[in-house]
Amino acid sequence: AQKVTQAQTEISVVEKEDVTLDCVYETRDTTYYLFWYKQPPSGELVFLIRRNSFDEQNEISGRYSWNFQKSTSSFNFTITASQVVDSAVYFCALLSFNAGKSTFGDGTTLTVKP
Amino acid sequence: GAGVSQTPSNKVTEKGKYVELRCDPISGHTALYWYRQSLGQGPEFLIYFQGTGAADDSGLPNDRFFAVRPEGSVSTLKIQRTERGDSAVYLCASSPGQLSYNEQFFGPGTRLTVL
Repeated sequence: AQKVTQAQTEISVVEKEDVTLDCVYETRDTTYYLFWYKQPPSGELVFLIRRNSFDEQNEISGRYSWNFQKSTSSFNFTITASQVVDSAVYFCALLSFNAGKSTFGDGTTLTVKP
Repeated sequence: GAGVSQTPSNKVTEKGKYVELRCDPISGHTALYWYRQSLGQGPEFLIYFQGTGAADDSGLPNDRFFAVRPEGSVSTLKIQRTERGDSAVYLCASSPGQLSYNEQFFGPGTRLTVL
């Protein structure tokens, strides 16, 4: 069975602070994909990033960066110099290769205060 | 272009009634997904269509839930004999191509309340 754990239920930071959202996953598959989605207060989930299990290279996109470590089954997400607009619920998800079923974590609610 | 749309945005029904929830995917997207999201939880996978066929329906909780996509575009999620535990936000997502790991584009959801 697959499982995604986001241990941080809620995080509150002050604007311009850096913040890391943790994601730990469990799977027996050797080929799989990991995702991060953002769900702002408006409600619609927005795709942020996808990584496959063979690519452990870290990725940076503007203020966002992702650290994938297969050895610890983690796919953590860091926001540098956070902004109020980053306030949202962030979900990590796992998808097996050639499967349609994604397993989502329960999300981390990030509040960035001005 | 237009995103994924879902109707109705809110549905209130009584226990035991039948409901239909509709999803209009992004034009040209061959893959369509249904999820259920309860308060404070992540989306829970229900079913995945590739074209007209259900490629994976392992997430449907029981036989009261059924989904169709007869022409490979619009999909309808049908719930019979609704129960209070069915109350949740039902999300639809679509993605391009044949590969299930493509980015999913989510709709705004239908909030279902069963009284």
